[in-house]
Amino acid sequence: EAQVTQNPRYLITVTGKKLTVTCSQNMNHEYMSWYRQDPGLGLRQIYYSMNVEVTDKGDVPEGYKVSRKEKRNFPLILESPSPNQTSLYFCASSLFARNEKLFFGSGTQLSVL
Amino acid sequence: GEDVEQSLFLSVREGDSSVINCTYTDSSSTYLYWYKQEPGAGLQLLTYIFSNMDMKQDQRLTVLLNKKDKHLSLRIADTQTGDSAIYFCAESNNQGGKLIFGQGTELSVKP
Repeated sequence: EAQVTQNPRYLITVTGKKLTVTCSQNMNHEYMSWYRQDPGLGLRQIYYSMNVEVTDKGDVPEGYKVSRKEKRNFPLILESPSPNQTSLYFCASSLFARNEKLFFGSGTQLSVL
Repeated sequence: GEDVEQSLFLSVREGDSSVINCTYTDSSSTYLYWYKQEPGAGLQLLTYIFSNMDMKQDQRLTVLLNKKDKHLSLRIADTQTGDSAIYFCAESNNQGGKLIFGQGTELSVKP
């Protein structure tokens, strides 16, 4: 089944403790992206990747890192999480960067205490 | 910078038509999208329209684009309780990569 898989689904952590949210797609998509969803703000793009080893900042990249060593995986890394990074995170992918059909993962609810 | 605006809530009765509106600022927008988010789930693409089109119809969904006013709307005919969800408008330009979402409109359908 074609899908974007994020893990974990829920995560509670403490300020400063490094964490990684994994994202994997099985559709051979070139484009992958991370978003955070906050009430009243909609979805804001954190980072995106047009292809392997190519990543770019979105609108809210501060405090996040990404890597794209393989086509299928696009992990989101929080080196030193802070409470303002408490949010619902979505990974998404599409065949190319034009986003006609962007496939979303089920989301990761992160709470930073 | 680019911005996409939507009203936050809409309530309709089952069987009525729903119209969800969206305005955007980027005049170089090439693609405009409507996504649906059901509770506890990710977003699903409902439909999209190229900026050189005025209208697109897909079963119960009609998308209207007024490029001059930078206004996009989604009409859902014969709205059902299963249509209750958050609907997001989004836009991107020809350079690809960046996709700007609105705040989302929560549609509530009452029986």
